[in-house]
Amino acid sequence: GESVGLHLPTLSVQEGDNSIINCAYSNSASDYFIWYKQESGKGPQFIIDIRSNMDKRQGQRVTVLLNKTVKHLSLQIAATQPGDSAVYFCAEISRHYGGSQGNLIFGKGTKLSVKP
Amino acid sequence: DTAVSQTPKYLVTQMGNDKSIKCEQNLGHDTMYWYKQDSKKFLKIMFSYNNKELIINETVPNRFSPKSPDKAHLNLHINSLELGDSAVYFCASSVDRVGDSPLHFGNGTRLTVT
Repeated sequence: GESVGLHLPTLSVQEGDNSIINCAYSNSASDYFIWYKQESGKGPQFIIDIRSNMDKRQGQRVTVLLNKTVKHLSLQIAATQPGDSAVYFCAEISRHYGGSQGNLIFGKGTKLSVKP
Repeated sequence: DTAVSQTPKYLVTQMGNDKSIKCEQNLGHDTMYWYKQDSKKFLKIMFSYNNKELIINETVPNRFSPKSPDKAHLNLHINSLELGDSAVYFCASSVDRVGDSPLHFGNGTRLTVT
């Protein structure tokens, strides 16, 4: 299940199960969203992205769902493996100056722990 | 080959010192960034440069000064280091400044100020 720990929300799943990581974003005008995976001692690594003209996008073992009505993103990982253990961040692009500049704004992160 | 590389990986120094972190990207990207990650893993943008030009400067103390000698390099110089500067600093790059493509991150520099 999902719980809020002292620092990061943590999701614990059994190896082989599916994982769902949720994220609420802040700006209803955001039109581009990215999920990143961060392993210990490394930088954030791109997993999958989605634009606001879509509500679902699939990659290899991962699916991102976008619900613009409630400003919610989710990342689904199929058949979770120990190597999936990491902190996962959703991020949205915040645009400025008539769209000529975009900043990547990160959410708070969820720690995924996979039990063998 | 590492796409975005930062040096050093670890930096331990005393309060009041001045230090620099270097970043290089070999992706041919036009835009580079510095992000700070605190102890709660929260990632916040500090600076953004597009083709050597500063385009974002968030509310960062002016003790932090980015320098971009060319579009493949964005270094971060920090003067008069304080305890609160302890964090992991990430360099990143993207194809352009518009925000239509993902950022690629380095593996971070863990700065510890004692």
